[in-house]
Amino acid sequence: SAVISQKPSRDICQRGTSLTIQCQVDSQVTMMFWYRQQPGQSLTLIATANQGSEATYESGFVIDKFPISRPNLTFSTLTVSNMSPEDSSIYLCSVEFQGVGYTFGSGTRLTVV
Amino acid sequence: GENVEQHPSTLSVQEGDSAVIKCTYSDSASNYFPWYKQELGKGPQLIIDIRSNVGEKKDQRIAVTLNKTAKHFSLHITETQPEDSAVYFCAASSYSGNTPLVFGKGTRLSVIA
Repeated sequence: SAVISQKPSRDICQRGTSLTIQCQVDSQVTMMFWYRQQPGQSLTLIATANQGSEATYESGFVIDKFPISRPNLTFSTLTVSNMSPEDSSIYLCSVEFQGVGYTFGSGTRLTVV
Repeated sequence: GENVEQHPSTLSVQEGDSAVIKCTYSDSASNYFPWYKQELGKGPQLIIDIRSNVGEKKDQRIAVTLNKTAKHFSLHITETQPEDSAVYFCAASSYSGNTPLVFGKGTRLSVIA
């Protein structure tokens, strides 16, 4: 399966600032998926990122708040903009590679103070 | 869209006993059903998956069963060990590599030594 390097692993940020999370995959993949996991909750899809086109956002998530870049087939970033304490969550990227299943990064644990 | 229900939300078993977690899904187009284990501070790890052309799959102490007619699938862990303690998530998708997973709400399994 593909190996995902996600960073930072954790951060504490001031409200009103932005944080960019990076995901690097060791193989070329068509789609990358970004999820949010609020404290004690399940994973909720934020958006799907395809290389060369704008990301597709799920209901409740907007590009101005969560801009995503996908410059090539192995890399993507998610920015959490103008943060508030409600954005404190774990953010995860995921890919599917060659039919062996969906792999997740180790996550970015974000605390907004 | 797809909706995945997972039960129970918490489960405590004695070491050596079996644990069963059940999920139902709503979209008959779904054909891929993975299970993930998430330990504290880590991303979800795929432990087993099943596709709709198979009714049961086993990997050592872990097995998954699928009933497509009833739209439900279950995770069975036998001879539980303390290291099985974690949060388990079921998920579903119409597997194509370009379709994201939809997750259940998770089950916190505690194995008591």
